Amino acid sequence: SQTIHQWPATLVQPVGSPLSLECTVEGTSNPNLYWYRQAAGRGLQLLFYSVGIGQISSEVPQNLSASRPQDRQFILSSKKLLLSDSGFYLCAWGKMNTEAFFGQGTRLTVV
Amino acid sequence: TQLLEQSPQFLSIQEGENLTVYCNSSSVFSSLQWYRQEPGEGPVLLVTVVTGGEVKKLKRLTFQFGDARKDSSLHITAAQPGDTGLYLCAGVANYQLIWGAGTKLIIKP
Repeated sequence: SQTIHQWPATLVQPVGSPLSLECTVEGTSNPNLYWYRQAAGRGLQLLFYSVGIGQISSEVPQNLSASRPQDRQFILSSKKLLLSDSGFYLCAWGKMNTEAFFGQGTRLTVV
Repeated sequence: TQLLEQSPQFLSIQEGENLTVYCNSSSVFSSLQWYRQEPGEGPVLLVTVVTGGEVKKLKRLTFQFGDARKDSSLHITAAQPGDTGLYLCAGVANYQLIWGAGTKLIIKP
């Protein structure tokens, strides 16, 4: 069966510090991978998606970037965090933009 | 821009009552999904509906896809405190997943 791992679960970072969130998927090959951000108790905003190694599409201009160095690894990064980067970040995998299967999420607080 | 509007945004009811959550759009979707999310966790897929007019049941939850595949509803019978959570709908159109803003549901014992 497929599983998705996302870490860390919570993170507190100072303004201007770098960020690296990692997500890995097991039990499937060549998945579509997604990074979402979610405001408290609300819907999901798609940040990045990837259909293959090294292929990244950005949906929203921002202070963040994403990379996919391996088939089942997706990384969300920032060189300098802003206060507005605080939020709940979710990694997900899927096939051909159908159902999405989510990790447990990372609560990022920028202070 | 494709939009998927969920209503109500927030619902707080007593245990045992029935409720319906709606998901509406002017766009046609090839399929539509419902997810449930608990605080601090990722959304979990509940059901996918594909055919216009399709009805699926998951215990006390009934999901319906509109005949024109532009809207969907989630009906919960005899709600329980364990049903509390954020319910999200998502539609697939043009190979993209379009998300609703969610319905926050609280069931009071």
